Amino acid sequence: DTGVSQNPRHKITKRGQNVTFRCDPISEHNRLYWYRQTLGQGPEFLTYFQNEAQLEKSRLLSDRFSAERPKGSFSTLEIQRTEQGDSAMYLCASSHQEGSYTFGSGTRLTVV
Amino acid sequence: AQTVTQSQPEMSVQEAETVTLSCTYDTSESDYYLFWYKQPPSRQMILVIRQEAYKQQNATENRFSVNFQKAAKSFSLKISDSQLGDAAMYFCGGTGGTSYGKLTFGQGTILTVHP
Repeated sequence: DTGVSQNPRHKITKRGQNVTFRCDPISEHNRLYWYRQTLGQGPEFLTYFQNEAQLEKSRLLSDRFSAERPKGSFSTLEIQRTEQGDSAMYLCASSHQEGSYTFGSGTRLTVV
Repeated sequence: AQTVTQSQPEMSVQEAETVTLSCTYDTSESDYYLFWYKQPPSRQMILVIRQEAYKQQNATENRFSVNFQKAAKSFSLKISDSQLGDAAMYFCGGTGGTSYGKLTFGQGTILTVHP
């Protein structure tokens, strides 16, 4: 197992386009988290999955954002009608219990 | 943690010296975890050290140790014998106060190590 994998590493998109990111967690981890990190700031929680169930969503997650985790394995985060303010690093983390988290390398989104 | 505050935007240290990074937090929970993560320019969040709130003893990991003051809700990181490779952004984070073990992070401290 090579840890948490995120793809793509970088994404440049035009304003108004839709983008989708993927996170492959560590296989035995049933918890999966998405965070957003803007330059010079700490990561901010977006959403949480336990297996395939999305159990918590931040108010940061507007209706243009949607996340899924079909079958409790990989997860996708989609942003529709991207805006320049969506430019950020999107981090995924997985865990099998509270207190132990593994982060991916993130997907850096630039909206032009 | 419901909120985490790092009051030092930047810190610097000479190689081989010791530096302490500060962190305070707020939570209504009695059981939670506190963390220090390192984020180098490669952007991968790397766990430096973890503290379980119910443990009185301060966590240590080689050159890294914490001063955990539960009553004061303070959680500082001490880096001894600083190395050039320690240069990075350091984030303090914690669980508790919310459900599902999600982490709340502080704003970060940029650590510069001078040779």
